[in-house]
Amino acid sequence: AQSVTQLGSHVSVSEGALVLLRCNYSSSVPPYLFWYVQYPNQGLQLLLKYTSAATLVKGINGFEAEFKKSETSFHLTKPSAHMSDAAEYFCAVSSTGGADGLTFGKGTHLIIQP
Amino acid sequence: GAVVSQHPSWVICKSGTSVKIECRSLDFQATTMFWYRQFPKQSLMLMATSNEGSKATYEQGVEKDKFLINHASLTLSTLTVTSAHPEDSSFYICSARDGGRGGELFFGEGSRLTVL
Repeated sequence: AQSVTQLGSHVSVSEGALVLLRCNYSSSVPPYLFWYVQYPNQGLQLLLKYTSAATLVKGINGFEAEFKKSETSFHLTKPSAHMSDAAEYFCAVSSTGGADGLTFGKGTHLIIQP
Repeated sequence: GAVVSQHPSWVICKSGTSVKIECRSLDFQATTMFWYRQFPKQSLMLMATSNEGSKATYEQGVEKDKFLINHASLTLSTLTVTSAHPEDSSFYICSARDGGRGGELFFGEGSRLTVL
């Protein structure tokens, strides 16, 4: 069984400030980990994914995430927030790389203050 | 990049009617398609997995007679909500797996169902 916990249903940061969205996972096997972004009434767009290669994963739009096995974490960061980053962010885990679907966290709504 | 299209993007229907939602992979053949359900301000819950030409595999608690899934070709999967009720109102999202690109997953834009 696997699960994902996203701490903080809402995160608010000022434009230009650091963005940190937290994700902790539980998996009985080495996990594949994903971050997706969802804009209102739209589907999901992949930001980045961890597939057991480099522990620091760089994604689109300036986002990156670091896999820390000892902490079972895969937190998402961006050095400088932009207004266009306001959206819902989902962390997801899979033991098979997605072959049997993904298990999603509850999501974190990112608010950017001007 | 790869595109997965869902149709309709939103639909309103009366209680007791059936609604069909289509999910198409536009530029690749999807070996597997997944259907998720998302309640307002909540996460996506996997409903079922479908492989072309075979019966869908439903997650525990999902009524297969209620949510009929057909994966007739490598580019099309359909979800039919039968005898819809207001509690079926939700955002339904499909995902398609591109076997030619290492199994990468692509998501549709979602379909919002409102049952009156």
